[in-house]
Amino acid sequence: RKEVEQDPGPFNVPEGATVAFNCTYSNSASQSFFWYRQDCRKEPKLLMSVYSSGNEDGRFTAQLNRASQYISLLIRDSKLSDSATYLCVVIPYNNAGNMLTFGGGTRLMVKP
Amino acid sequence: NAGVTQTPKFRVLKTGQSMTLLCAQDMNHEYMYWYRQDPGMGLRLIHYSVGEGTTAKGEVPDGYNVSRLKKQNFLLGLESAAPSQTSVYFCASSYSQGPTEAFFGQGTRLTVV
Repeated sequence: RKEVEQDPGPFNVPEGATVAFNCTYSNSASQSFFWYRQDCRKEPKLLMSVYSSGNEDGRFTAQLNRASQYISLLIRDSKLSDSATYLCVVIPYNNAGNMLTFGGGTRLMVKP
Repeated sequence: NAGVTQTPKFRVLKTGQSMTLLCAQDMNHEYMYWYRQDPGMGLRLIHYSVGEGTTAKGEVPDGYNVSRLKKQNFLLGLESAAPSQTSVYFCASSYSQGPTEAFFGQGTRLTVV
């Protein structure tokens, strides 16, 4: 079983739709969680951190469920520019190297 | 504001050839990483460094070597390239204090024929 798992998609949604992705992680000692965005043939970039209390940044909301070991990303009012691959990232507890463990990514395609 | 810079951006190697990928960061980050990205596999950690003069193995280190002689540079070497090493390679760096954002280079597309 992979440490971090995501549905690869693609999720095809119309503009204005609300879409949600989940990501499950296997290491219960995982401490820190992030969502990164990767555009086609580009490098990953941080989208948002995921806090225990959940957090929101404009149209994006991230949630953490430690009991079930998953994190989620909700995108409201989807834009064409949201089309990308969304990478779930986990850092295990007490990881001296701050090593990011990536999920395989979920591809989102927003259609006009 | 360069951030993380990788060279080269593209390369084609013949099986058995060697090469070195260079990663340079200008943010004074302690930690640096090399990842490879393959379709359906996500990013996998090859080697990493927590400071100048230190290196450690990641998830998929076989066939690669690294060096961190200067804080700002992290080199990834392939001594004898194999077709299985065809991939996109990303370098990243981050601060050492706690879980923080990692900044990535633009990637190197390597094809081994």
